[in-house]
Amino acid sequence: GENVEQHPSTLSVQEGDSAVIKCTYSDSASNYFPWYKQELGKGPQLIIDIRSNVGEKKDQRIAVTLNKTAKHFSLHITETQPEDSAVYFCAASGEAAGNKLTFGGGTRVLVKP
Amino acid sequence: GAGVSQSPSNKVTEKGKDVELRCDPISGHTALYWYRQRLGQGLEFLIYFQGNSAPDKSGLPSDRFSAERTGESVSTLTIQRTQQEDSAVYLCASSPTRRQYTFGSGTRLTVV
Repeated sequence: GENVEQHPSTLSVQEGDSAVIKCTYSDSASNYFPWYKQELGKGPQLIIDIRSNVGEKKDQRIAVTLNKTAKHFSLHITETQPEDSAVYFCAASGEAAGNKLTFGGGTRVLVKP
Repeated sequence: GAGVSQSPSNKVTEKGKDVELRCDPISGHTALYWYRQRLGQGLEFLIYFQGNSAPDKSGLPSDRFSAERTGESVSTLTIQRTQQEDSAVYLCASSPTRRQYTFGSGTRLTVV
């Protein structure tokens, strides 16, 4: 089955700096890669996703890149703000796995004012 | 409602007791998923319902775990003879397309 590794597990950045989280996946058939943000006491919330026919996608201060050959994808947050502090999860899915998401272990991001 | 609703939000139970967790998905969402999240860890897939198809139970950790879904509405996750290692947050998600899940806030289960 699919295995998703996520790094780093914790990330501390100064407000205004950029944050980068990296994930690798094992199943070459995976074709959908979402990112979720989880704030304390809440369920994960989808913030951006990318499909395998696209190499990069941006939405305001967040962007995701995908390298299918290397089987890795990354989340970039620019101009970080204190409200970006949360746990971020990457995930991967494909039709062979019934489209159920396999999640990485999470990255706790702390933005210091 | 506008989102996925889970109840109860918190549950404390004694070891050996059975518990039922409830999930109300977004109306019209045909896919429903249950995940488990242990403290400080990632999300672990448990079970998946898609319309009237047979559920994908491949993630259930033991036969003490079961889940049902009535049509395309409410789902209940039942854990029998709870153990301390069952303590976790149980998250439900629904989706109209089998992508772009919307998660509920979860049920925090503590087995004492």
